[in-house]
Amino acid sequence: QQQVKQSPQSLIVQKGGIPIINCAYENTAFDYFPWYQQFPGKGPALLIAIRPDVSEKKEGRFTISFNKSAKQFSLHIMDSQPGDSATYFCAATSGTYKYIFGTGTRLKVLA
Amino acid sequence: DAGVIQSPRHEVTEMGQEVTLRCKPISGHDYLFWYRQTMMRGLELLIYFNNNVPIDDSGMPEDRFSAKMPNASFSTLKIQPSEPRDSAVYFCASSPSRSTGELFFGEGSRLTVL
Repeated sequence: QQQVKQSPQSLIVQKGGIPIINCAYENTAFDYFPWYQQFPGKGPALLIAIRPDVSEKKEGRFTISFNKSAKQFSLHIMDSQPGDSATYFCAATSGTYKYIFGTGTRLKVLA
Repeated sequence: DAGVIQSPRHEVTEMGQEVTLRCKPISGHDYLFWYRQTMMRGLELLIYFNNNVPIDDSGMPEDRFSAKMPNASFSTLKIQPSEPRDSAVYFCASSPSRSTGELFFGEGSRLTVL
């Protein structure tokens, strides 16, 4: 019940494409859902986050879609660029700092 | 502003040796976290501190692992004795307060135990 299941494991898209990464959870107590971006040799960095009182949040080219009834949330990257090539992690927590991270999606955007 | 600083960036050691990883959090951050990242298990929270006090160490794998935070600007993660299965990237992260929820990660310490 504490897991966050993330898919796909890896993703390759052409420049300008819209990669979509999906996450699913079971624990209905989760109330904060961040996405982190990690470049090789670096630590993860917060990209965007959402709380379950909204169904969508946009920041620049990045959008989180949240479906509370299905217990799923996804990250969409509009007009993807080669510089977006990184590993993306979803996460969830229930009011504490005990984040449960997904297993990560390695994205490659081809030029 | 300086981010979270970790040292060493790379450590290669032999099984049975003691390993000490160090972390300097961002000044003013009240929370400090130690994570371990492996291909098999992803990112795992080992322990976290609030105002230098350990709050939750349930993720520490076994007694060979210990963490301390003697003051607001320094923390260590020690493994004694080390084993090959401890090979991983260890991240330190800090956060200014619970309300933001954002974790600021360091660049990690890559540990290889032979």
